[in-house]
Amino acid sequence: LAKTTQPISMDSYEGQEVNITCSHNNIATNDYITWYQQFPSQGPRFIIQGYKTKVTNEVASLFIPADRKSSTLSLPRVSLSDTAVYYCLVGDPSGGSYIPTFGRGTSLIVHP
Amino acid sequence: EAGVAQSPRYKIIEKRQSVAFWCNPISGHATLYWYQQILGQGPKLLIQFQNNGVVDDSQLPKDRFSAERLKGVDSTLKIQPAKLEDSAVYLCASSLDNRQGLETQYFGPGTRLLVL
Repeated sequence: LAKTTQPISMDSYEGQEVNITCSHNNIATNDYITWYQQFPSQGPRFIIQGYKTKVTNEVASLFIPADRKSSTLSLPRVSLSDTAVYYCLVGDPSGGSYIPTFGRGTSLIVHP
Repeated sequence: EAGVAQSPRYKIIEKRQSVAFWCNPISGHATLYWYQQILGQGPKLLIQFQNNGVVDDSQLPKDRFSAERLKGVDSTLKIQPAKLEDSAVYLCASSLDNRQGLETQYFGPGTRLLVL
């Protein structure tokens, strides 16, 4: 089971780009990288998922280097409403032993 | 599309009492998850169902926690008897099918449990 390491907290200001890096040194060949966002008093919400290189959707981008030992979630031009906890998950959801493991996540605070 | 429904939203009980939580996943979602989230921590998976079968329950404290998913739709999580350390938010999530190597879990609002 690939363990992930993220910064505990980050601060930013409105309009800036925020990059949150997740380390997963023992990622397996079939593992995907998934990011979730959680607001207070709500359940986590899926943001983005990728396997290699770069993935982009309407909310964020996910950059994965060739060795896949880390990944970076990029949030363009953050607003106050992006203040939340961000979780990085690594695993093969189709694997029989897959256990979604959230960790403590990164608490992002966006300041005016 | 209706989301994952959970009830109750809040529950306060005394230690050694019993409590049950209910979850209705998104229609058609084969996989259902129950998580425990203690304040300041990430969600911890308790049990995962694929239709009405258990895929993983290795982190479920089976001496006091039980869960079932009859007919592969709704699910119930029970704690009997409750301990002070069970105070947490219990989250239910569902996904369409995780067997294709992709995962998008949809979470419910959670049930906040306080054990006194």
